Amino acid sequence: SQKIEQNSEALNIQEGKTATLTCNYTNYSPAYLQWYRQDPGRGPVFLLLIRENEKEKRKERLKVTFDTTLKQSLFHITASQPADSATYLCALAPWSSASKIIFGSGTRLSIRP
Amino acid sequence: ETGVTQTPRHLVMGMTNKKSLKCEQHLGHNAMYWYKQSAKKPLELMFVYNFKEQTENNSVPSRFSPECPNSSHLFLHLHTLQPEDSALYLCASSQGLAANNEQFFGPGTRLTVL
Repeated sequence: SQKIEQNSEALNIQEGKTATLTCNYTNYSPAYLQWYRQDPGRGPVFLLLIRENEKEKRKERLKVTFDTTLKQSLFHITASQPADSATYLCALAPWSSASKIIFGSGTRLSIRP
Repeated sequence: ETGVTQTPRHLVMGMTNKKSLKCEQHLGHNAMYWYKQSAKKPLELMFVYNFKEQTENNSVPSRFSPECPNSSHLFLHLHTLQPEDSALYLCASSQGLAANNEQFFGPGTRLTVL
């Protein structure tokens, strides 16, 4: 069956360092991979989308890579800040439709001052 | 109101009650979704509507009944739920069903079934 694994349930790092979150998948050939941020008591907020034929995407302090051979995406936050503390979700979707989207269970990131 | 709104934000109900969750999107989108989020589990897509027509029902028990009267409103009718149905129920919308459309989520309804 299709499966997404996000590297760890929780990640704690020092402010100013680069946070790296991992999303691995099996039995799936996604066309698109998305990253969302979710704060406690709120719905997820879209951050970035990367296509299967793209290796890397950047947005301000965020960088996403997508390796379809390794079946893995890495999500980086550079110069991390306490305000970046949240749960980050990866999601995969095929070419056909967003109604086939599947989400990972998320990684809770904590940035300590 | 902007974005996607959901009411109520919190709901406690008994197993024999009937209640409804409401979602409204103010973004002019055509697709709307219901998700279930349980603790430490991935978001589970329940239902998808596109232009008011249901396009996906991911083997959801019939005690959950969706309704989409127009592209801006989505309801989830609840009847004879079980305690394991306690979760955060999220509504989302997107411009269309293209897989590269980002989804906009509401704040969710925290449901507790006693």
